[in-house]
Formats: sequence, structure tokens, C-alpha cells
Amino acid sequence: TQLLEQSPQFLSIQEGENLTVYCNSSSVFSSLQWYRQEPGEGPVLLVTVVTGGEVKKLKRLTFQFGDARKDSSLHITAAQPGDTGLYLCAGERQGAQKLVFGQGTRLTINP
Amino acid sequence: ETGVTQTPRHLVMGMTNKKSLKCEQHLGHNAMYWYKQSAKKPLELMFVYNFKEQTENNSVPSRFSPECPNSSHLFLHLHTLQPEDSALYLCASSRDRQITNEKLFFGSGTQLSVL
Repeated sequence: TQLLEQSPQFLSIQEGENLTVYCNSSSVFSSLQWYRQEPGEGPVLLVTVVTGGEVKKLKRLTFQFGDARKDSSLHITAAQPGDTGLYLCAGERQGAQKLVFGQGTRLTINP
Repeated sequence: ETGVTQTPRHLVMGMTNKKSLKCEQHLGHNAMYWYKQSAKKPLELMFVYNFKEQTENNSVPSRFSPECPNSSHLFLHLHTLQPEDSALYLCASSRDRQITNEKLFFGSGTQLSVL
């Protein structure tokens, strides 16, 4: 079992639809990060959340950190083809200075 | 452009070959990392260097040998690799080794195929 479980692993939707992807764990995290990785490129950091219940918005993307700091979600409103990519969550477990990654959600937005 | 450059972008090598991956960062960061990204598996941290000193080796086989001559350059020397070592190898840097709230900047990776 992985420390950070992302779901779904694959998601293909039409342009204009809304979607939510999840990052879950049984462990408490000091912080959680979300990255987007496009084909042929490395991951690029989108956001870091550090406080339980924290909500951050980045244009059409809304990130939430669970109250217990064990999970996070990414909601995309009115998805665009440019949102296509691999979305990775990564977290630093409380007391451990080491970043662990989830296996990712591969998102495809069809025009 | 993330400020982290990796070469080559693609590499095909036989199991008896010796090759090296190169990473250069232009961000003035003190920490550099090698990650391995395989299909259907999470990113795996391989090595960490902070101020040119190796601070972490996550039980990586000795056929992978890192080198960090200065804070801006990182190499991964490869020899007698196995087909299961085929993966995308990503270099990253951060201002400081401490992870909390630190932003990792990744290069585009080297797609390695071992035949």
C-alpha cells in the first residue's frame, strides 16, 4: 500500500465539465503539495497547503486540505484541454523531512 | 523553463554500457535531487545533495552513482543497468533541503531505455 493514494488513476472528460480528484492517506501531513506534469516535462508545483481545512484557489482550480490534514482534493471548474496532464500530490509526513508522492491522476480533457 | 536543465532528453543503452545523466540549475539553490519515475509507480527519491554533500541515499543499487561537483551541477553515472531500470529520471532543486513549504523545481527529465 502507498502512503498517498490518489483517485481516480485515470479520468477523461469533455471540455467544460467539472471534476474532482482526491489524495488520501491514513497519516497526518505537515503540508501537501499538488503538481501538474505535462507529457515530456517534469512536474510543476501548483500549490502548497499547510493548515487543516485550508482552501486555495488558482483560477479555475480549487485545492482543499482536510481538517485532519490526512487528505486533499483538487477541483477543476469548466475544464479546458490545457488542463490535460498528470496531477501529483506530494506530502511531508509530520515529523519526517521527506516528501512522498502519490502515483498520480492522469487527466484528459477532450475538446 | 524551470531553471533546471537535464541532458540528454532521451537515452538508449545496453546493459554493458556506461553513460551519465547531467543536471544543471540556474536558480542559486543549495539542494539537488534525483528522482525515478516509472509507469504506475509514485516518484521515487533516489539521492539528495545539500551544499554538495550527499545527505540521502534511498537504498539505490550501486549501479547508479551520483556526483555533485558544485551546487549547480548534478550527475548520475550509470553502469551495468538492468531493463527494469528503464524509466524517466528527473532532477530537481530547491532553495534549502528542508522540505516544508519548499518548492521543488524539476527538470524535463531523461527518458532512459535499457535494452
